[in-house]
Amino acid sequence: EAQVTQNPRYLITVTGKKLTVTCSQNMNHEYMSWYRQDPGLGLRQIYYSMNVEVTDKGDVPEGYKVSRKEKRNFPLILESPSPNQTSLYFCASSLFRGRDTEAFFGQGTRLTVV
Amino acid sequence: TQLLEQSPQFLSIQEGENLTVYCNSSSVFSSLQWYRQEPGEGPVLLVTVVTGGEVKKLKRLTFQFGDARKDSSLHITAAQPGDTGLYLCAGVDNYGQNFVFGPGTRLSVLP
Repeated sequence: EAQVTQNPRYLITVTGKKLTVTCSQNMNHEYMSWYRQDPGLGLRQIYYSMNVEVTDKGDVPEGYKVSRKEKRNFPLILESPSPNQTSLYFCASSLFRGRDTEAFFGQGTRLTVV
Repeated sequence: TQLLEQSPQFLSIQEGENLTVYCNSSSVFSSLQWYRQEPGEGPVLLVTVVTGGEVKKLKRLTFQFGDARKDSSLHITAAQPGDTGLYLCAGVDNYGQNFVFGPGTRLSVLP
């Protein structure tokens, strides 16, 4: 089954404790991205990657890191989480098809930083 | 920065009613997409509209792309409780590399 898998689904952590949220897709998509979703603000892009070893900042990259060592994986790293990073995070992947491109989303990771 | 606005933010209606939600932008996009997100899940694509003035139908859902490709609407006929969810519009650039999402319309259809 074609899917984007994120782990964990839920995470509660303390300020400053490094964490990684994993994302994996099995559709051989070149493009992957991370979003955070906050009430009233919609989905805001954190980082994106157009292929292996190619990453770039989205609209809200501060406090986050990513890497793309393999095509299928795109982990999101919070080196020193802070309470303002409490949010619902989504990983998405897509195949470049011009304006018909469809984004496939994972099920989300709800992160709480206390 | 390209921005998308959606209205209304919240909508609560009775089963069987019709409704329209709107997505507006000051920017032109090569295409516009509508996604539906259910609680605990990621957004799922409903439709992509590409041509200015285009109308697409998906059962009881009708999607329209504005002539200037800056706005879109989603009309639901005879809403059902299964239509409940968050409806997101997304503008797509020419290369399909960048998606700009609106804040969403949260729809609740009461039985």
